[in-house]
Amino acid sequence: QSVLTQPPSVSAAPGQKVTISCSGSSSNIGKNYVSWYQQLPGTAPKLLIYDNNKRPSGTPDRFSGSKSGTSATLGITGLQTGDEADYYCETWDSSLSAVIFGGGTKLTVL
Amino acid sequence: QVQLQESGPGLVKPSETLSLTCAVSGDSISSNHWDWIRQPPGKGLEWIGFVSYSGNTKYNPSLRSRVTMSVDTSKNHVSLKLTSVTAADTAVYYCARDYSGSGIDLDYWGQGTLVTVSS
Repeated sequence: QSVLTQPPSVSAAPGQKVTISCSGSSSNIGKNYVSWYQQLPGTAPKLLIYDNNKRPSGTPDRFSGSKSGTSATLGITGLQTGDEADYYCETWDSSLSAVIFGGGTKLTVL
Repeated sequence: QVQLQESGPGLVKPSETLSLTCAVSGDSISSNHWDWIRQPPGKGLEWIGFVSYSGNTKYNPSLRSRVTMSVDTSKNHVSLKLTSVTAADTAVYYCARDYSGSGIDLDYWGQGTLVTVSS
């Protein structure tokens, strides 16, 4: 059971928008930055969003991140079949004194 | 172009020590922190810990008693040792560059190496 809660799966049609939530607590998301990773099938995770809402060079602006209170959200617009992947949120937990990941969300582009 | 490459035995016997190396190219070990993350087959990601170029470490409390990470600046690589392994340690092990030293900004990852714990 992950400390950060993500929906196991989400789906949407090509061209549509989808959001993936990541729910935590005051000891993690509530006081620390959140990152998001995309893991395409059979590959290593790739940093998608850092510091809640910043995009590394190479991340399309179709991807966005936000944080409010103890929750964070990843948004993806203009969905493409190539976006089908597992998405993970990540942050530091000040109580556990450890990096924690959400359980992951499988995105299906129908 | 920063590249990371994990290497080590793909099969380890229960109760033995898992030893992996991460070779870094395109960047100096002395410039960043370096993290290890693992992913059991079909499951999510688990942070193991990080090591800085100076050898400072921070480990996941759940693994701290069994983990050792180190750096070799002469070879530009980092190492992971996990003792007393069990089947629960079977996973793909990744090393990653941690550019902020916070553990949450992992901008380059190795391809991962599968380690199976079995007799």
